[in-house]
Amino acid sequence: EAQVTQNPRYLITVTGKKLTVTCSQNMNHEYMSWYRQDPGLGLRQIYYSMNVEVTDKGDVPEGYKVSRKEKRNFPLILESPSPNQTSLYFCASSSTQGSYNEQFFGPGTRLTVL
Amino acid sequence: GNSVTQMEGPVTLSEEAFLTINCTYTATGYPSLFWYVQYPGEGLQLLLKATKADDKGSNKGFEATYRKETTSFHLEKGSVQVSDSAVYFCALSGRAGGTSYGKLTFGQGTILTVHP
Repeated sequence: EAQVTQNPRYLITVTGKKLTVTCSQNMNHEYMSWYRQDPGLGLRQIYYSMNVEVTDKGDVPEGYKVSRKEKRNFPLILESPSPNQTSLYFCASSSTQGSYNEQFFGPGTRLTVL
Repeated sequence: GNSVTQMEGPVTLSEEAFLTINCTYTATGYPSLFWYVQYPGEGLQLLLKATKADDKGSNKGFEATYRKETTSFHLEKGSVQVSDSAVYFCALSGRAGGTSYGKLTFGQGTILTVHP
């Protein structure tokens, strides 16, 4: 089954404790992206990657890091989480072989930073 | 830059009522337009899309027409069901080869609740 998976689905942590949210897709997509969803703000892009070893900042990259060492994986790293990073996070992927961009989303990771 | 504005919610309807969720956008060039739906506890799913002016996207009884002259992409359904209760997001994306290709710009989302 074609899908985007994220782990963990739920995470409660404390300020300053480094964490990683994993994202993996099995569709051989070139493009991967991370979004955060906050009430009244919709989804905002954090980072994206056009292909292996190619990453770039989205609209809200502060406090986050990413890496793309393999095509299927795109982990999101919070080196020193803060309470304002409490949010619902979505990973997405898509193929760049087309005239428009249909993105496939993972199920989401709900993060709480105390 | 690109932006998407959706009508404020939440929207509460009775089953079989008519639904309209307004969406307008600001973008350079000719973006592709999307409606995504998020059911409770799940990720986003593509509901429908339109990639050029006057295109009509449709799926599951929902429709939206890409109106370049009014920069709008309003979502409509003639008769909603309880199972349509979800959050609906309007979004746009740049075209292949453009600088904003790949990035989805979302509206703030509209919560729809349908009562029996």
